[in-house]
Amino acid sequence: GQSLEQPSEVTAVEGAIVQINCTYQTSGFYGLSWYQQHDGGAPTFLSYNALDGLEETGRFSSFLSRSDSYGYLLLQELQMKDSASYFCAVSSPFQKLVFGTGTRLLVSP
Amino acid sequence: KAGVTQTPRYLIKTRGQQVTLSCSPISGHRSVSWYQQTPGQGLQFLFEYFSETQRNKGNFPGRFSGRQFSNSRSEMNVSTLELGDSALYLCASSLEGTPETQYFGPGTRLLVL
Repeated sequence: GQSLEQPSEVTAVEGAIVQINCTYQTSGFYGLSWYQQHDGGAPTFLSYNALDGLEETGRFSSFLSRSDSYGYLLLQELQMKDSASYFCAVSSPFQKLVFGTGTRLLVSP
Repeated sequence: KAGVTQTPRYLIKTRGQQVTLSCSPISGHRSVSWYQQTPGQGLQFLFEYFSETQRNKGNFPGRFSGRQFSNSRSEMNVSTLELGDSALYLCASSLEGTPETQYFGPGTRLLVL
């Protein structure tokens, strides 16, 4: 089967940098995605790594190391609106996404 | 371009009943996937449809079924509801070949009493 583990909760202050880790046990996947979900909202796509290395999208960066079965999402210049849950997910054939356990990020003033 | 829409947004049912949820994907997206989200189990894949065919199915009992119409709209049905079926049901649409980028609807929150 496939499993992705994330820390359950991370706290940080505005303006800081935070890293959310994702370790996985799976094979044959296309890549690692990250989604953000605010309370009461739908997951929204943030970033995707098809290859090893760092992908940068504005304040968000994502990293993948297939040899280490590990990835992370880096959020810089944290804002209050970044308080949300963050999910890593592996994509496999026929549009199936397997999500991680999710990390709740709390940003304080 | 309009986003993914789901109806109804909220639903209350009793055990043993059945329920049908509807999803309209983003225009041009032919792949529609369904997910169940609960506090205990997180986000779990139910099934995916493309061109009216189910291509992939998660580990859910046969009480969970779905279909897709020629206009890519999709429905999922849960029969003989159980208390444990209480959850947020999310529909996502995507372009073929881009499974990593899925666009989610607001979800249907189902409460089974």
